[in-house]
Amino acid sequence: QQPVQSPQAVILREGEDAVINCSSSKALYSVHWYRQKHGEAPVFLMILLKGGEQKGHEKISASFNEKKQQSSLYLTASQLSYSGTYFCGMRPAGGGNKLTFGTGTQLKVEL
Amino acid sequence: EAEVAQSPRYKITEKSQAVAFWCDPISGHATLYWYRQILGQGPELLVQFQDESVVDDSQLPKDRFSAERLKGVDSTLKIQPAELGDSAMYLCASSPVGIEQYFGPGTRLTVT
Repeated sequence: QQPVQSPQAVILREGEDAVINCSSSKALYSVHWYRQKHGEAPVFLMILLKGGEQKGHEKISASFNEKKQQSSLYLTASQLSYSGTYFCGMRPAGGGNKLTFGTGTQLKVEL
Repeated sequence: EAEVAQSPRYKITEKSQAVAFWCDPISGHATLYWYRQILGQGPELLVQFQDESVVDDSQLPKDRFSAERLKGVDSTLKIQPAELGDSAMYLCASSPVGIEQYFGPGTRLTVT
């Protein structure tokens, strides 16, 4: 089953913050976050492997709550370059490395 | 910086014709994936290779799709015959140890 992301779309003014959520009905081993710009391939942002783990990448960070099977991506002080569609990819616990991607969140940052 | 290569970038074909896509993963990456992405949706795994062996092809429509990675390096995905519903972006990704995946630029297929 496909992970569910929220919100489906968000529009920000440059400098504003946003949170994108991703949830699964299955127990998880890891969560992967990607950003895809229109007509381009998804670009890897980060991976979270442990329950409760938080990671950061400049002004983009993420958390992973293993018990709730949820992950959140935090974008702070957004820049125009953050625009795109964000996908979470979830890998189930118990073996295998198949990623199932979420429904996607369209983010647009405006001046 | 090493990248996943795919060709062609764009392909227009008529219904019932055969079409093939090629992928060259990042050197040294043992795991290779083919995904299909319909506009507005997330990528959907079609087939996963570990070296030259298929690990997962449960979502591959085997009556018309085939994939191979004969020498465990580059890979080819074929569709025969193509149908209108096959129009999508076909993405190839590779991974060093099955963790993070690096995507190629994709092949956008239009079936008319």
